[in-house]
Amino acid sequence: GQNIDQPTEMTATEGAIVQINCTYQTSGFNGLFWYQQHAGEAPTFLSYNVLDGLEEKGRFSSFLSRSKGYSYLLLKELQMKDSASYLCAVTNSNYQLIWGAGTKLIIKP
Amino acid sequence: DSGVTQTPKHLITATGQRVTLRCSPRSGDLSVYWYQQSLDQGLQFLIQYYNGEERAKGNILERFSAQQFPDLHSELNLSSLELGDSALYFCASSGSRFHGTGDTGELFFGEGSRLTVL
Repeated sequence: GQNIDQPTEMTATEGAIVQINCTYQTSGFNGLFWYQQHAGEAPTFLSYNVLDGLEEKGRFSSFLSRSKGYSYLLLKELQMKDSASYLCAVTNSNYQLIWGAGTKLIIKP
Repeated sequence: DSGVTQTPKHLITATGQRVTLRCSPRSGDLSVYWYQQSLDQGLQFLIQYYNGEERAKGNILERFSAQQFPDLHSELNLSSLELGDSALYFCASSGSRFHGTGDTGELFFGEGSRLTVL
């Protein structure tokens, strides 16, 4: 089968750094996405990785290792507004987008 | 604002009924996707249309159907509704034919239609 694993919930402190991991087992690989979703709202695109390495976008960075089937999303200088669910999604060789269940991130003051 | 418009935003109906959800994609996007998200659950892909044709099918029940019209808007029809169909239904659009490929594979989501079946 195909699956994506992410921690269900994480807690971090305002101003700190948090790393959200995603491991995947899919039939082939054509890219990995991270989306942010606030409760009751639509997911919004954060990042896309197709090659190994780190992609940095402001306070958010995403890393990919295709050989390990592993990615992480790094959030720096956490703000209260970063409290949300973070969804990892992988495009497989059939161009199906496989979604993880999401990681709920709770930021405490 | 993602540019994707969904109506209605909220819908309350009874079991056994039928509803239609409507989606207008971003200007220029040819692909429309429908997703279901039950409370505290992940996104479940239902179906994709590309330029009027069905492109990919996910876990869509036989009671559900969809279509994309020549002006590229799409409708999702849900019939013989059950309590378990209560969920947020998202429509997303992209410029790519293939689900989640490259920069143009980024999905732009509408605000969703919240369906409550009583």
